[in-house]
Amino acid sequence: EIVMTQSPATLSVSPGERATLSCRASQSISSNVAWYQQRPGQAPRLLIYDASTRATGIPARFSGSGSGTEFTLTISSLQSEDFAIYYCQQYRNWLSFGGGTKVEIK
Amino acid sequence: EMQMVESGGGLVQPGGSLRLSCVASGFTFTNYWMSWVRQAPGKGLEWVGNIKEDGSETFYVDSVKGRFTISRDNAKNSLFLQMNSLRAEDTAVYYCASTVIRGQGTLVTVSS
Repeated sequence: EIVMTQSPATLSVSPGERATLSCRASQSISSNVAWYQQRPGQAPRLLIYDASTRATGIPARFSGSGSGTEFTLTISSLQSEDFAIYYCQQYRNWLSFGGGTKVEIK
Repeated sequence: EMQMVESGGGLVQPGGSLRLSCVASGFTFTNYWMSWVRQAPGKGLEWVGNIKEDGSETFYVDSVKGRFTISRDNAKNSLFLQMNSLRAEDTAVYYCASTVIRGQGTLVTVSS
């Protein structure tokens, strides 16, 4: 089983600032990582797949990077609608998910 | 574009059964292992189980083994989850996924 660990659990950021979220895999997963945004009461929204490819309709302020075991989601300038929970997920070996990072208003 | 539409959720009593369905489109269904993923209220995402491309193998998380069964109909690009002996802790939104989640999910509530 591949364990995905996200940090920090909570990130306090002011609107307009940059947010950097981290995700670590327990073993190498190449670039088989996706990132999701989840707002209260909504389904997870796919942001990034293959570690760095933005899904259709996702704004350019969202970017993903990394390979192997270390991955990063960067939101370049936080907008009000970006305050939410973010999950990483690997699909190298079945599926497994990180515990999430809550991005809250500072 | 890859899409999944889940259905079949609802309110069921403890010990009851429910069958979920997922119709996939926008990709070659027969090329992918397919999974079910769930999210309990206020919790994170949990992989439930998966099924091989031809339906010949299935795997499950320990908490549902012997109670849940995954199947597929490749002619109809459809995935199913038969849930028996349901417990309160099975209450969750259930999503189907190939490599990623693309649907809105279906809510299963187990309560008397």
